[in-house]
Amino acid sequence: DIQMTQSPSTLSASVGDRVNITCRASQNIINWLAWYQQQPGKAPKVLIYKASILESGVPSRFSGSKSATEFILTISSLQPEDFATYYCQQYNSFPYTFGQGTKLEIK
Amino acid sequence: QITLKESGPTLVKPTQTLTLTCTYSGFSLSTSGEGVAWIRQPPGKALEWFALIYWSNDKRYSPPLKSRVTITKDTSKDQVVLTMTNMDPADTATYFCARVVQWGIFQVWGRGTLVTVSS
Repeated sequence: DIQMTQSPSTLSASVGDRVNITCRASQNIINWLAWYQQQPGKAPKVLIYKASILESGVPSRFSGSKSATEFILTISSLQPEDFATYYCQQYNSFPYTFGQGTKLEIK
Repeated sequence: QITLKESGPTLVKPTQTLTLTCTYSGFSLSTSGEGVAWIRQPPGKALEWFALIYWSNDKRYSPPLKSRVTITKDTSKDQVVLTMTNMDPADTATYFCARVVQWGIFQVWGRGTLVTVSS
């Protein structure tokens, strides 16, 4: 199975900050990676797919990229509604797997 | 508008079989490229994908649960049914169904249903 490791597990930030969340795969997943946002008590919502493609309707302050060894979700200017938990997910091969989540908290 | 809704028991006893139904609208699971997946989330923990069915009736399961889980579709009713045998307290979780696009993107999710396993 492909293990997805996110960092950090918790991130404290303020409204207006720029934040990065990283996700590393234990094997090559090419660009078959999605990012989801989950508000407390709600279902997840897809933000980014194929590593960098913004899902329709998602604000442009969200972006995804890939470095040599990891994937990055960037929120350019945090808004109050962005404080949530974020998950990465690989869909390169079965079983599909998620990261352990990054909780974004208000500082 | 695409929607999905999970339904089924909220409480099951250990060793019992769980049956959950996902009723969807706004897309057809008979259309090439479509799929429906089940994902679960134990309280306070991460998401875990474990079952998926495609329009072609190709079915995929997570290895740890493969022996206990069956996923089927009824396109005449726009439903996907999940059965999980031999339920254990460790299976206590919120169970979500989701529309799958491009083979593996969970594009639209149901609200989820909390299933508690307890005697």
